[in-house]
Amino acid sequence: KAGVTQTPRYLIKTRGQQVTLSCSPISGHRSVSWYQQTPGQGLQFLFEYFSETQRNKGNFPGRFSGRQFSNSRSEMNVSTLELGDSALYLCASSQTQGPPEETQYFGPGTRLLVL
Amino acid sequence: AQSVTQPDIHITVSEGASLELRCNYSYGATPYLFWYVQSPGQGLQLLLKYFSGDTLVQGIKGFEAEFKRSQSSFNLRKPSVHWSDAAEYFCAVGAPGGYNKLIFGAGTRLAVHP
Repeated sequence: KAGVTQTPRYLIKTRGQQVTLSCSPISGHRSVSWYQQTPGQGLQFLFEYFSETQRNKGNFPGRFSGRQFSNSRSEMNVSTLELGDSALYLCASSQTQGPPEETQYFGPGTRLLVL
Repeated sequence: AQSVTQPDIHITVSEGASLELRCNYSYGATPYLFWYVQSPGQGLQLLLKYFSGDTLVQGIKGFEAEFKRSQSSFNLRKPSVHWSDAAEYFCAVGAPGGYNKLIFGAGTRLAVHP
């Protein structure tokens, strides 16, 4: 079974631009969560989607948004990019919407560099 | 609010030596507890998890962890470290009402000397 895939793997943008990252969960998984990983703040939860509905949201500004499609694929969008948005963005998928007894599987991440 | 503390930012051990990575959590009830490993340029891989029952949990790659409620700890151990264990290790906590949201510790970077 294929793992979680994230595209693109690397991305360079400039301040003020917007970016869209994509995550394809493991087949049959309906929950997708997003995390931001930076050296200063570590791993921080962005949001979680289950069956196209946002179930949970972290403490990030409204510039960060996401959505989930009927095939469970998810996208996250960051508008008006700032230098501090440079990070590794990880997505994780699981079969259920929690509690997290089911194992969550993480993708390799998308590394975003904002210049 | 939930929080996770990993007191050790960096740890260096010799190959074949034993390892213990510390994790303390803050949560009112028994949380869901996890250890993940991240190799350079990779995503996170689950080593083990604890929800209830036996407080000594066995995971993959020869790792185990022990849940101690009285100390709010969930330390990761391995009796004999291999060079391939060099990576960053993250302890995480989830809440029963928090869907799949995980709160991660800052991580411990493990270096292994030959």
